Amino acid sequence: SAVISQKPSRDICQRGTSLTIQCQVDSQVTMMFWYRQQPGQSLTLIATANQGSEATYESGFVIDKFPISRPNLTFSTLTVSNMSPEDSSIYLCSVDQGDTEAFFGQGTRLTVV
Amino acid sequence: QKEVEQNSGPLSVPEGAIASLNCTYSDRGSQSFFWYRQYSGKSPELIMSIYSNGDKEDGRFTAQLNKASQYVSLLIRDSQPSDSATYLCAPAPNSGYALNFGKGTSLLVTP
Repeated sequence: SAVISQKPSRDICQRGTSLTIQCQVDSQVTMMFWYRQQPGQSLTLIATANQGSEATYESGFVIDKFPISRPNLTFSTLTVSNMSPEDSSIYLCSVDQGDTEAFFGQGTRLTVV
Repeated sequence: QKEVEQNSGPLSVPEGAIASLNCTYSDRGSQSFFWYRQYSGKSPELIMSIYSNGDKEDGRFTAQLNKASQYVSLLIRDSQPSDSATYLCAPAPNSGYALNFGKGTSLLVTP
């Protein structure tokens, strides 16, 4: 199993500012994944972060808005840039163990005012 | 992407009844599936995985996979109020790829 520490757990931010979310894993993992969960919705994949290369973004998500860093095999950050109220969501990082269970951070509840 | 469809619910069942949650999928290449449970305000947690056609039982939970009809279901026997949560279905991804969740079904078990 993997234990993921994600922070901050929640934040209230002013529109136009940026927030960086951090995820620390207790073991080395090849891929880390970032999801967004809007109110009442399921999880939507934002991007896949592989150490040593640029993140791969899903349709509808761009690097300028959601820059991701992956400096080593246990850590990643997601920045939500130039925030608007529409960015209010829960953001989750995740790692998998091959084709078995995926593990999630505790989530970051972001409110943009 | 491997697409899955779920009825968003809410599905309401009385305590002690059987809750039946269903998921259909479009990719015939999908071989195995996961069921995750997500309590309000919490992260998803794995409750069942099924890797072959047929039934898999684990305590009060039974996962069923029917590849011919392209559906996977989760049965919860003797439902408890603590089972009230959103249940997410996802096909097992290829190695290095992310889970692609269905919309999730909200289950409410009433005392």
